[in-house]
Amino acid sequence: SYELTQPPSMSVSPGQTASITCSGDKLGNKYASWYQQKAGQSPVLVIYQNNKRPSGIPERFSGSNSGNTATLTIGGTQATDEADYYCQAWDSTFVFGGGTKLTVL
Amino acid sequence: QVQLVQSGSELKKPGASVKVSCKASGYTFINYNMNWLRQAPGQGPEWMGWINTNTGNAIYAQGFTGRFVFSSDTSVSTAYLEIISLKPEDAAVYYCARQGDSGYEFGPWGQGTLVTVSS
Repeated sequence: SYELTQPPSMSVSPGQTASITCSGDKLGNKYASWYQQKAGQSPVLVIYQNNKRPSGIPERFSGSNSGNTATLTIGGTQATDEADYYCQAWDSTFVFGGGTKLTVL
Repeated sequence: QVQLVQSGSELKKPGASVKVSCKASGYTFINYNMNWLRQAPGQGPEWMGWINTNTGNAIYAQGFTGRFVFSSDTSVSTAYLEIISLKPEDAAVYYCARQGDSGYEFGPWGQGTLVTVSS
């Protein structure tokens, strides 16, 4: 079965750039999506089709996908961006990564 | 705005059944598939499958066949997830999520329904 691998955690200082990676076999040939899940809340779509932002998502969220790696980049990270982030792709079924806990400190 | 509102938390005994509802508003219900996802404590979301709200046809992911039933009622723009013969390992938060416009993503999600299975 298809697997997506994310680093379990990362930390970033306020105002800095956070780059969260998601690895999978030939992931660049698929559409990658990213979700933000704050504590006690449901997931929110922040990037779809590799690099598109839904309405209402700040411009500091961007995405890329090439080769075996998709990347979610958060520029000028704010304290409110502290959350779990999940990548997701379709490979005969919808697959999620294990999630990356982003700490802003 | 597009909104999905799910039914409240449930506490059930092993062997019982539970039915979770997901009421949609702000868009034409039959124009989008509705997905169901499970999130166990400390885990990432897991896709359970979807229901075509126009035809009523359902697709179940591997591991969610047999005891899991998706249904919908277009007259009230509501999708349902029923879990039969609950097991302790079914304890999780269950989410409904609308399929995205491209078909490859989910958004928005409901607020989640916590199902607890305990004797």
